[in-house]
Amino acid sequence: SYVVTQLPSVSVAPGMTARITCGGSNIGSKSVHWYQQKPGQAPILVIYYDRDRPSGIPDRFSGSNSGDTATLTISRVEAGDEADYYCQVWDNTSDPVVFGGGTTLTVL
Amino acid sequence: QLQLQESGPGLVKPSETLSLTCTVSGDSISRSSYHWGWIRQPPGKGLEWIGNFFYNGRTYYKPSLKSRVTISVDTSKNQFSLRLNSVTAADTAVYFCVRHSLAYFDFWGQGALVSVSS
Repeated sequence: SYVVTQLPSVSVAPGMTARITCGGSNIGSKSVHWYQQKPGQAPILVIYYDRDRPSGIPDRFSGSNSGDTATLTISRVEAGDEADYYCQVWDNTSDPVVFGGGTTLTVL
Repeated sequence: QLQLQESGPGLVKPSETLSLTCTVSGDSISRSSYHWGWIRQPPGKGLEWIGNFFYNGRTYYKPSLKSRVTISVDTSKNQFSLRLNSVTAADTAVYFCVRHSLAYFDFWGQGALVSVSS
């Protein structure tokens, strides 16, 4: 089955840009979706189809996907962005839903 | 506004059956645009898809769980349910019900912690 890989943690200072990556073989040929999960809460969708934002998600959140890496970029990081971020792809196999292991974003 | 709410026992004994229900408000689960399903998260770990159903009754399960999982639907109550039998401690997790919009999950319930212990 398809595998996607995320770094366990990323740290960034407030006001700077955080980049959270999701690696997979030719992931650029797949659609990648991103979720934010704060402690004790359910995940929320922050990016779908690589780069689209649901209503209510700030435009500080953006996404890209090419080659073997998809990236969630958070500009002008705020303390409230501290959370776990998960990427997810849909793979056309019998086990179609693939989640990355998650990246913990720490705001210094 | 769409809301999903999980309910069910928070403690299940090993080898018994875990049962959860998701009550949906603000949308009809019989709409043709969406799947509805379940995702779980063991404590301190990542997300694992369990399965979905589509309005036409078709269900899709994670292969490694397929032999133990059943997702059923009660459209009259706008609810769907999860049954996972022969549970072990490895099934201890927060279980989320979700709305599945094509390839992604756009709405999540708040989650229900189910512990498997004697």
